[in-house]
Amino acid sequence: QKEVEQDPGPLSVPEGAIVSLNCTYSNSAFQYFMWYRQYSRKGPELLMYTYSSGNKEDGRFTAQVDKSSKYISLFIRDSQPSDSATYLCATSHGSGNTGKLIFGQGTTLQVKP
Amino acid sequence: SQTIHQWPATLVQPVGSPLSLECTVEGTSNPNLYWYRQAAGRGLQLLFYSVGIGQISSEVPQNLSASRPQDRQFILSSKKLLLSDSGFYLCAWIASGGTETQYFGPGTRLLVL
Repeated sequence: QKEVEQDPGPLSVPEGAIVSLNCTYSNSAFQYFMWYRQYSRKGPELLMYTYSSGNKEDGRFTAQVDKSSKYISLFIRDSQPSDSATYLCATSHGSGNTGKLIFGQGTTLQVKP
Repeated sequence: SQTIHQWPATLVQPVGSPLSLECTVEGTSNPNLYWYRQAAGRGLQLLFYSVGIGQISSEVPQNLSASRPQDRQFILSSKKLLLSDSGFYLCAWIASGGTETQYFGPGTRLLVL
């Protein structure tokens, strides 16, 4: 079993739709959770960062962590064609000084105008 | 502000040739540094990480090696490339002792023929 599971998609939605992207993880010791956005042929860029359970909102993006079910989500409201990218979830337990992250496979999203 | 550079951006090499990819970070001291490989349509595979000069940890056995000759310089090398070494190579950093948020460089696309 992979430590972080993410449906690779592709996911195609019309412009303006609400998008829900999800990951599950297996290690209850994970405490830090991130979402990265990666455009084609570019490096991933940090989109959202949360610690422990709860919600975090930034503009049209909301990150949600449910540690009881080991489930993390990213919601995109009023999706735009510019949101078309691959979205990667990542997590870490934060102990030690390695800073290593465990990534999901990434979900490819296409927002059609 | 911090900036991370990678070069070259694109590289086409014959099988059996050597490889040297370079990553440098500006605007920070003593960062943790990471090398990832991303195969087409796949997630990120951590290859090496370094928590200090001369300190290299390898995550998977492979045809590659890494070195950190200076605080903000991380080099990925190979003596003889294999076809399977083709991919998108990404360098990332986090501030030493900081959060677990990694920041990525623009990547190097390597094609081995």
